Amino acid sequence: SQQGEEDPQALSIQEGENATMNCSYKTSINNLQWYRQNSGRGLVHLILIRSNEREKHSGRLRVTLDTSKKSSSLLITASRAADTASYFCATDASGANSKLTFGKGITLSVRP
Amino acid sequence: SQTIHQWPATLVQPVGSPLSLECTVEGTSNPNLYWYRQAAGRGLQLLFYSVGIGQISSEVPQNLSASRPQDRQFILSSKKLLLSDSGFYLCAWLDRKTNYGYTFGSGTRLTVV
Repeated sequence: SQQGEEDPQALSIQEGENATMNCSYKTSINNLQWYRQNSGRGLVHLILIRSNEREKHSGRLRVTLDTSKKSSSLLITASRAADTASYFCATDASGANSKLTFGKGITLSVRP
Repeated sequence: SQTIHQWPATLVQPVGSPLSLECTVEGTSNPNLYWYRQAAGRGLQLLFYSVGIGQISSEVPQNLSASRPQDRQFILSSKKLLLSDSGFYLCAWLDRKTNYGYTFGSGTRLTVV
């Protein structure tokens, strides 16, 4: 079953605007991760936030985590056409051995 | 450097034929290895994972199986493919020392006809 549910399912913005994507999950987690997938390709790891962290930054990416609401958001600032891709949140709720559960993904289109 | 190889990139197989997809990892030792399947427009479904040679955990009961004959080799197999086995298959590994993010292969697009 899918743990993470992303929102919105699709997002279209103009180059230079910020893109905000949300993810909700159901069970307690060890960490939450965001991945990017270009069409027909493998996934690329973007950022990981642990359950005891509230916010992380990596370049133009900002991720927040609210464990009380079981939700996370991914903000991409100053978007570029090259950011066009599908974005997935994934949760790791396992014990000793990591197992990621992925959401269905968000399709982001950045118009030049 | 650490890399992951997955092949073939695309595969068209008839119903009832066998399947063997191979994934190898370079530049690391004793990784966790994973097989995921992605149906069109959907998220990834974990099929199998392995924490060591010969150690396979199945997440979804179906006509697929996995094996890990060597530390950095992970194989996905089927004796008889079904139409429902069509999808995009992705191999991934995790460095347990850092436990920071999976590295995915480029995927195999399997179409069962």
